[in-house]
Amino acid sequence: EPEVTQTPSHQVTQMGQEVILRCVPISNHLYFYWYRQILGQKVEFLVSFYNNEISEKSEIFDDQFSVERPDGSNFTLKIRSTKLEDSAMYFCASSLRGAETQYFGPGTRLLVL
Amino acid sequence: AQSVTQPDIHITVSEGASLELRCNYSYGATPYLFWYVQSPGQGLQLLLKYFSGDTLVQGIKGFEAEFKRSQSSFNLRKPSVHWSDAAEYFCAVGAAGAAGNKLTFGGGTRVLVKP
Repeated sequence: EPEVTQTPSHQVTQMGQEVILRCVPISNHLYFYWYRQILGQKVEFLVSFYNNEISEKSEIFDDQFSVERPDGSNFTLKIRSTKLEDSAMYFCASSLRGAETQYFGPGTRLLVL
Repeated sequence: AQSVTQPDIHITVSEGASLELRCNYSYGATPYLFWYVQSPGQGLQLLLKYFSGDTLVQGIKGFEAEFKRSQSSFNLRKPSVHWSDAAEYFCAVGAAGAAGNKLTFGGGTRVLVKP
């Protein structure tokens, strides 16, 4: 069964450093998403991406964040200058169409020191 | 704005007993509703979804959920719990028909299964 994959599974970084989280969505899916879950809190929407552009973003997704689909298979989330409060589990998801089931990857646990 | 409330933060249930997890949503139009399960250290696995039609939906692992528009609820049930059902369960609402379909999650209910 096709699945969403994410790398790395864990990343530790120093405050102020740039990180890139990588995702490979399900191959025929057209919509891509990033969510995050701070420890002990709700899963929160960050951004959705379709047709090579952002279709919606939350207030959390400020200028420090960017997303890219550099090729036909990868979908990345970049945090330019990490803060302590960026420590969270980051989930990538994809769906075939906009109003369809989103399938989630296993997540990347980011720890900012 | 859409929102989801899961009133129970923790539930403890004996193995073999029935389980019901509550979910209330707020959304101005027809919602898409989902239940996801997260085992420790794992990602989010879809249990079931409601888009339209029959208000009682069946999912994987023997779970079912019932959409009640009048109560704005989408409660998850399982008749007989197994030890492997110990996990955190998330209810989510999406915007039907909207491009992008942002999901809004509830706070989750952590289920502990006693032997």
